[in-house]
Amino acid sequence: DVKVTQSSRYLVKRTGEKVFLECVQDMDHENMFWYRQDPGLGLRLIYFSYDVKMKEKGDIPEGYSVSREKKERFSLILESASTNQTSMYLCASSPPGLVETQYFGPGTRLLVL
Amino acid sequence: AQSVTQPDIHITVSEGASLELRCNYSYGATPYLFWYVQSPGQGLQLLLKYFSGDTLVQGIKGFEAEFKRSQSSFNLRKPSVHWSDAAEYFCAVGAYGQAGTALIFGKGTTLSVSS
Repeated sequence: DVKVTQSSRYLVKRTGEKVFLECVQDMDHENMFWYRQDPGLGLRLIYFSYDVKMKEKGDIPEGYSVSREKKERFSLILESASTNQTSMYLCASSPPGLVETQYFGPGTRLLVL
Repeated sequence: AQSVTQPDIHITVSEGASLELRCNYSYGATPYLFWYVQSPGQGLQLLLKYFSGDTLVQGIKGFEAEFKRSQSSFNLRKPSVHWSDAAEYFCAVGAYGQAGTALIFGKGTTLSVSS
């Protein structure tokens, strides 16, 4: 079974802190994704990576950055956390291609105070 | 621009009754369509997907979906709902865009099951 793990299920941070969300997949997938999920808004793509050190902006990249130094690991960074970044963050991975299934981690619920 | 619309925010169905969740998409080329389910506190799990061939697609947990190009729809159905089906359901279209190959999700439909 494909496994996507996220470093924390719940995080509480203060405004202005630098926050790291880590995601690891064990299926040697080329593609990895970070989504943000908010009630009534569904999932919105923050960043996407199709290879090590490669990244693409999604629909809402402002306030976020990413890092992919190893194929299995994709990190989301909030440079200076703000209260409007309180949300559920979901990581996913997939092989390349439009028809491929994305496999999701359990999510990290982040609260910024 | 590609988009996915799920017209129903919340649906309540009696246990044992049939279910249909609606999904409409906007995409210029042949769409690649997906339904995912998210149980409370969990990540998303793929129910089924369509990319070519038979327009009626079978998925896991007894779900099926029918692709209708003329209506730009990909509705999810189940003949008899179980209490464990209570969850949030997301329709998505695979698209080439600014972010390479990515999924565009609808806003989701929350399914409640009454006894």
